[in-house]
Amino acid sequence: SYELTQPLSVSVALGQTARITCGGINIGRKNVHWYQQKPGQAPVLVIYRDSNRPSGIPERFSGSNSGNTATLTISRAQAGDEADYYCQVWDSNTGVFGGGTKLTVL
Amino acid sequence: EVQLVESGGGLVQPGGSLRLSCAASGFTFSSYDMHWVRQGIGKGLEWVSAVGTSGTTHYAGSVNGRFTISRENAENSLYLQMNSLRAGDTAVYYCAGSLDTAMRGFEYWGQGTLVTVSS
Repeated sequence: SYELTQPLSVSVALGQTARITCGGINIGRKNVHWYQQKPGQAPVLVIYRDSNRPSGIPERFSGSNSGNTATLTISRAQAGDEADYYCQVWDSNTGVFGGGTKLTVL
Repeated sequence: EVQLVESGGGLVQPGGSLRLSCAASGFTFSSYDMHWVRQGIGKGLEWVSAVGTSGTTHYAGSVNGRFTISRENAENSLYLQMNSLRAGDTAVYYCAGSLDTAMRGFEYWGQGTLVTVSS
């Protein structure tokens, strides 16, 4: 079965740029989606199909996908961006999530 | 306003059964693929099952043969029948919807319902 690998944690200084990676074999050939989950809340879709933002998601959130790595980039990080982030693909009629990355804003 | 409201969670003994429901409103339910995603306490997200607009179903290997997903478009409702429950099934269960699962991801999420499997 397909596997996605994320770093357990990423730290970023307030106002700086955070990058969260998602690794998978030839992930560049797949559509990658990203979710933000804050404590006690349901996940929220922040990027779909590699680099598209749903309505209501700030432009500070962007995504890219190539080769074996997809990346979620959060520019001008704010305290409110502190959360768990998950990448996800749909592979062989199965949903696959990465293990999640805890983003800490310092 | 889009709403997905799960219900039916609770405490059940190992080997027991439980039926989860998800009531949808604020969007054209019949046009959306619907999914169940679960999250163990303190753990990551795990996809469980899907039912497409045509009724086609898919399951994670860990629940295949024990769980059954279904939908009733006339009632804007999604269901998950869970049988032969195990301790490892303990989690918050979310229902989620997508206009195109592969291309758009899980666009809408409910707030979740907690299932605890314990004696």
